[in-house]
Amino acid sequence: KNEVEQSPQNLTAQEGEFITINCSYSVGISALHWLQQHPGGGIVSLFMLSSGKKKHGRLIATINIQEKHSSLHITASHPRDSAVYICAVRSLGGGSQGNLIFGKGTKLSVKP
Amino acid sequence: GAGVSQSPSNKVTEKGKDVELRCDPISGHTALYWYRQSLGQGLEFLIYFQGNSAPDKSGLPSDRFSAERTGGSVSTLTIQRTQQEDSAVYLCASSLALEPFFGPGTRLTVL
Repeated sequence: KNEVEQSPQNLTAQEGEFITINCSYSVGISALHWLQQHPGGGIVSLFMLSSGKKKHGRLIATINIQEKHSSLHITASHPRDSAVYICAVRSLGGGSQGNLIFGKGTKLSVKP
Repeated sequence: GAGVSQSPSNKVTEKGKDVELRCDPISGHTALYWYRQSLGQGLEFLIYFQGNSAPDKSGLPSDRFSAERTGGSVSTLTIQRTQQEDSAVYLCASSLALEPFFGPGTRLTVL
């Protein structure tokens, strides 16, 4: 079982829809990241959070440390939101992968 | 300030040749990571540097792969005797604290 699981793997939405992408993890963490990768490959960091909720424009990220779960929400989705969204966690106290463990990503396609 | 840069952006090579990929992290970032992303796949961890040392080399897929980092800055990833299955985008990221900053990647194609 992967230490970081994302769902869904693929998501198609109509423009304007509210979108939720989920991330569950099984290790103790110091932080969780949501990343965005557009076609063409560049990866940008959207959020880094260790508790609660953060909002940036139409994007909202929440985390529940007790339940080891995070969600990324996109309100009023737009075709330019089409990308792969990746959840990554920073594990506590050492471990493999330099403490940064990635989910396999959720491919979002927003249709006009 | 400048972000993470990688060179070359694209590399096409013949099977059996050696290649070197370069990563220039953000100045002052102590941690540096190499990842590989094959077509349609997620990020595959290769190696992690803290300063010049590599406490975690567990992701290197074979002994044809090696990496070094000098001066706590530039890193090179070397693939010897390239194989077609090495074709992928090789991504570098650096961080000072918790947040990783990614480079644009090097797209390697082995013919």
